[in-house]
Amino acid sequence: NAGVTQTPKFQVLKTGQSMTLQCAQDMNHEYMSWYRQDPGMGLRLIHYSVGAGITDQGEVPNGYNVSRSTTEDFPLRLLSAAPSQTSVYFCASSGGGTSGANVLTFGAGSRLTVL
Amino acid sequence: GIQVEQSPPDLILQEGANSTLRCNFSDSVNNLQWFHQNPWGQLINLFYIPSGTKQNGRLSATTVATERYSLLYISSSQTTDSGVYFCAVVTSGTYKYIFGTGTRLKVLA
Repeated sequence: NAGVTQTPKFQVLKTGQSMTLQCAQDMNHEYMSWYRQDPGMGLRLIHYSVGAGITDQGEVPNGYNVSRSTTEDFPLRLLSAAPSQTSVYFCASSGGGTSGANVLTFGAGSRLTVL
Repeated sequence: GIQVEQSPPDLILQEGANSTLRCNFSDSVNNLQWFHQNPWGQLINLFYIPSGTKQNGRLSATTVATERYSLLYISSSQTTDSGVYFCAVVTSGTYKYIFGTGTRLKVLA
């Protein structure tokens, strides 16, 4: 059972380039979410999804797009990368939304550097 | 929106010592979880505890929802306990996990 898989693990971009961070889970989880982690700031929610076809914004959505065409996949797209988007990105999922005993399971993270 | 504050921000212990980490939140929540991020960056769920007390080995947690705080206790600390501990909350009617800024723990051998 792979859990939550993120790719790539490392990526270097130039300002203005676009890219997609991939996230896939094999636990049939309804809820999926993306976070960025910056030094001293904990994790901040970028976007989340409560099921296929349903997405919504988190705390810091600007500069990022998401879609959820299947239960398994929740890609995060950077449309025009900026140095301020240099960060470590985590994808996480849980079984039944955010209520009940639905603990978050995290992927290993993707370290992105924008030059 | 809800504010989540963790204290202390940094903690250094000798192996075998006990510690208490605190998470304060500014609104009522229906979900509270504690996580450990190890030195390699991996995030592991420790507890789902919107209220009450739970124990798992040397770790235990208590949430007093009416007073809007949660405590994580680590007893007989080991070097493998080092890392950053985060609490995360969800307010009723939302689907947004809001994380505190974490407590960085270093356990010395």
